[in-house]
Amino acid sequence: EDKVVQSPLSLVVHEGDTVTLNCSYEVTNFRSLLWYKQEKKAPTFLFMLTSSGIEKKSGRLSSILDKKELSSILNITATQTGDSAIYLCAGIYGGSQGNLIFGKGTKLSVKP
Amino acid sequence: DGGITQSPKYLFRKEGQNVTLSCEQNLNHDAMYWYRQDPGQGLRLIYYSQIVNDFQKGDIAEGYSVSREKKESFPLTVTSAQKNPTAFYLCASSIFLGGSYNEQFFGPGTRLTVL
Repeated sequence: EDKVVQSPLSLVVHEGDTVTLNCSYEVTNFRSLLWYKQEKKAPTFLFMLTSSGIEKKSGRLSSILDKKELSSILNITATQTGDSAIYLCAGIYGGSQGNLIFGKGTKLSVKP
Repeated sequence: DGGITQSPKYLFRKEGQNVTLSCEQNLNHDAMYWYRQDPGQGLRLIYYSQIVNDFQKGDIAEGYSVSREKKESFPLTVTSAQKNPTAFYLCASSIFLGGSYNEQFFGPGTRLTVL
């Protein structure tokens, strides 16, 4: 059965801390892995990772895919209260259909 | 502005009623998707459509129906057969590019509550 597992499920840190969120996957015909940030409403796209070992960066956020370990990490450095959100990981599966299978998310709370 | 819109933002349903959630996109995306999100859960796929007049069931399609008469629109009907419809409903779309579908972009969601 296809699945995506995220850990931890919740995390509380203080401003300025660095955090690492984990995502492991077992996805049939895996093509890519996506990270989203969800605050109050719609998830917003962060990264799409297709190639193993190539880090993608956007400001204080970075992510990398390890196809050998079937996993990905999302790093956030110098966290701010605005980083508080649920971070969702999803695998694209099913050949060219582009369907996503989501993990349950990691709820990150950044305290001042 | 390009984007995905969903309406209404909040919806209340009485037992036994069918309700329809609207999803419109002006991104010229090929594929559209409906997800359901429950507290502490990830998003679960209800239905998806890759072309007009065609759609496929996702993982939890029972009690739901959709139509795709126009590329821009993908409404979801929650029927009385859906026994536990209270949830947050998200619509998404993606473009087919380079031989595959790319990242999905989401609308703001509709929160449905059964009274």
